[in-house]
Amino acid sequence: GQQLNQSPQSMFIQEGEDVSMNCTSSSIFNTWLWYKQDPGEGPVLLIALYKAGELTSNGRLTAQFGITRKDSFLNISASIPSDVGIYFCAGPPREDSGNTPLVFGKGTRLSVIA
Amino acid sequence: DGGITQSPKYLFRKEGQNVTLSCEQNLNHDAMYWYRQDPGQGLRLIYYSQIVNDFQKGDIAEGYSVSREKKESFPLTVTSAQKNPTAFYLCASSPERGARNEQFFGPGTRLTVL
Repeated sequence: GQQLNQSPQSMFIQEGEDVSMNCTSSSIFNTWLWYKQDPGEGPVLLIALYKAGELTSNGRLTAQFGITRKDSFLNISASIPSDVGIYFCAGPPREDSGNTPLVFGKGTRLSVIA
Repeated sequence: DGGITQSPKYLFRKEGQNVTLSCEQNLNHDAMYWYRQDPGQGLRLIYYSQIVNDFQKGDIAEGYSVSREKKESFPLTVTSAQKNPTAFYLCASSPERGARNEQFFGPGTRLTVL
């Protein structure tokens, strides 16, 4: 089946630094979703992308839908301690006919050093 | 105040006992999902339901059972046949068929089997 590969798997950064992570696939996705999971909580949807080339921001977060439809990027500017958590990318499989379960990446674990 | 609720937040059971995890949503979503998350790992799909009175197995359904008698409720039973039930369990839901594929998650239930 389709798989999403996230990199890096984990990262340690200083407070105030910018962060960049990505998600790639060998097959085309028509939607890219980015979630953040705080420790001990459920994932929360951060940004949804629906069009190739689309660039969307949510506060200090910016995500882009790659032109090839096989990748997406999430950037966080001026990181703060509450950015700590696991960031997941996700998308519907090609055979999706509506409400088919999403394919999830394995996540990027972000740690922020104050 | 719409959302997804899971109860309890923490659950302890003795080995060999069945246990049922609750998931309720008041978002009027058609589809509901159950995921399992182990420490440092991503999300693995257990079961999903696209409509009332219907559900499908996910990637790791063995040792679990579900029911979908009401649109707003999708309880998960962890049976004694599940060999390693200690994990963090997440419930999610998504809107009607044909809508955008965004899934929304509950806060999770941490199950510990002693």
